[in-house]
Amino acid sequence: RKEVEQDPGPFNVPEGATVAFNCTYSNSASQSFFWYRQDCRKEPKLLMSVYSSGNEDGRFTAQLNRASQYISLLIRDSKLSDSATYLCVVNAGSTLGRLYFGRGTQLTVWP
Amino acid sequence: DTGVSQNPRHKITKRGQNVTFRCDPISEHNRLYWYRQTLGQGPEFLTYFQNEAQLEKSRLLSDRFSAERPKGSFSTLEIQRTEQGDSAMYLCASSPERGAYNEQFFGPGTRLTVL
Repeated sequence: RKEVEQDPGPFNVPEGATVAFNCTYSNSASQSFFWYRQDCRKEPKLLMSVYSSGNEDGRFTAQLNRASQYISLLIRDSKLSDSATYLCVVNAGSTLGRLYFGRGTQLTVWP
Repeated sequence: DTGVSQNPRHKITKRGQNVTFRCDPISEHNRLYWYRQTLGQGPEFLTYFQNEAQLEKSRLLSDRFSAERPKGSFSTLEIQRTEQGDSAMYLCASSPERGAYNEQFFGPGTRLTVL
């Protein structure tokens, strides 16, 4: 079983749409949670950390459910520039360094 | 540019050759990580340094792979006797020691092609 499971998509949505991505993780000891964004043939870039109480950054809202080991990302009012692959990421709990990445969910926003 | 830098950006080599990649982390970051990413997959952890100490190695890091960070600044990743299965993007990341959430910042990667 993979440490982080994500629906690979692709998700194809029009500009202005709201889209939601979900992922689940298997390590109950994980303590840090993130969403990274990766453009084609580029490095992953940190989009936002995910806090227990949920958090929002502009059009992006992240939620964490520790009981269900479930993380979500909501993008409102999608822009063409949001087209990318979104990676769900968790740390390995007591093993400080290692991050586990999902395979990513591909999003295409069309005009 | 104060981000993570990696060199070379691209490397093409023949099977059986040795290759070495370099990573320069963000200057105030003392944690450094190596990951490998193949097409359609997320990055996979290889190894982690805190200063010059290599604290963790993945089972993916076979005996053909070695990483060093001799002075706690830049790091090198060497692959000996390359195989076609080593073809991938090799990513380096760094993070500050006191980061509560272990946020890691990635360099642009070195794309390795083994012919």
